[in-house]
Amino acid sequence: GQQLNQSPQSMFIQEGEDVSMNCTSSSIFNTWLWYKQDPGEGPVLLIALYKAGELTSNGRLTAQFGITRKDSFLNISASIPSDVGIYFCAGGESNAGKSTFGDGTTLTVKP
Amino acid sequence: SAVISQKPSRDICQRGTSLTIQCQVDSQVTMMFWYRQQPGQSLTLIATANQGSEATYESGFVIDKFPISRPNLTFSTLTVSNMSPEDSSIYLCSALDRGLGYTFGSGTRLTVV
Repeated sequence: GQQLNQSPQSMFIQEGEDVSMNCTSSSIFNTWLWYKQDPGEGPVLLIALYKAGELTSNGRLTAQFGITRKDSFLNISASIPSDVGIYFCAGGESNAGKSTFGDGTTLTVKP
Repeated sequence: SAVISQKPSRDICQRGTSLTIQCQVDSQVTMMFWYRQQPGQSLTLIATANQGSEATYESGFVIDKFPISRPNLTFSTLTVSNMSPEDSSIYLCSALDRGLGYTFGSGTRLTVV
């Protein structure tokens, strides 16, 4: 099946720093999605990207859908303690609607 | 986006028994999915719940072990049958509607003893 490579696996940063994480795949996806998961909760959608080259922001978060449709990145600017959690990328198959998830990036923000 | 209520939120079950997890969406959605997330791992799709017909299962998952129902556009159930400790995991319901986007329930944390 399709696989996503998400990196880095974990990040330890200082409050106020910017963060960047990315996902790559050998397969083409029609959508790229970025989620955040807090302990004991289901993933919450942060940003959805539907078109190659699309750059979308949601507050301090910015994500881009790669031109090749095989990659995406998520940036978080001026990190704060509540940004702590696990971030997942997911590639979506628009016809089937289902998503393939990356392995996640665990973010720790030190105050 | 749609809001999903999933229950139970957690359960401890004896091996050999079955557990049915319910997923209720507060609006009609196009598609519903069931995922499994093992401790410290990513999400793996179990199946797509099809309204009024048999679910579409991913490789490695079969109907006898994970029967799924979706009687209407707002409700689905996943049963974990004949459980073993290897089935201990978080099970998540997800919904997709073009107008509402993707949403996940809070998950069901299952422990099999």
